[in-house]
Amino acid sequence: QKEVEQNSGPLSVPEGAIASLNCTYSDRGSQSFFWYRQYSGKSPELIMSIYSNGDKEDGRFTAQLNKASQYVSLLIRDSQPSDSATYLCAVDPRTGNQFYFGTGTSLTVIP
Amino acid sequence: DVKVTQSSRYLVKRTGEKVFLECVQDMDHENMFWYRQDPGLGLRLIYFSYDVKMKEKGDIPEGYSVSREKKERFSLILESASTNQTSMYLCASSPLYEQYFGPGTRLTVT
Repeated sequence: QKEVEQNSGPLSVPEGAIASLNCTYSDRGSQSFFWYRQYSGKSPELIMSIYSNGDKEDGRFTAQLNKASQYVSLLIRDSQPSDSATYLCAVDPRTGNQFYFGTGTSLTVIP
Repeated sequence: DVKVTQSSRYLVKRTGEKVFLECVQDMDHENMFWYRQDPGLGLRLIYFSYDVKMKEKGDIPEGYSVSREKKERFSLILESASTNQTSMYLCASSPLYEQYFGPGTRLTVT
């Protein structure tokens, strides 16, 4: 069983729609959760971090965490073509900074 | 802004060569990491360091070594490059929780 699982996609949404990206993790003791955006040929860029159950909003992005279900998601509202990228979920299973990354979900926003 | 730089964006080396990849961060972060990223396999941790002269093996350390002589600099060494080490190499640094990535080095071993 993989530590972090994401739907590989590809996921396509029309411009202006809500894109929903999902991630599950196996280590119940995990404390820190992150979403990275990676454009083709570029390195991952941190866009959201979440540490406690519930929602965290930052502009058009909302991260949602449910530790009981071992589930973290990223919602992108009013999706733009510039949001087209691969989104990586990362989980820190314990203090010590060793992340586990999902393989990413490819998102395409269609103008 | 966090600044993580890597010595080369693209590198082509021959089988058997010793290869040095360098990473520098300017934010006084304690923790630094080396990953490789391959299609379908995602990001895999090679080595990490939580202090000067300290290093820990990640998930795939075989064929690699690292050096951290100064806090801001973390080097990845391929002792004898092989074709299966052709990959994108990513360095990251972290103050505590979040990791910040450099631009990456795309290494091709022929």
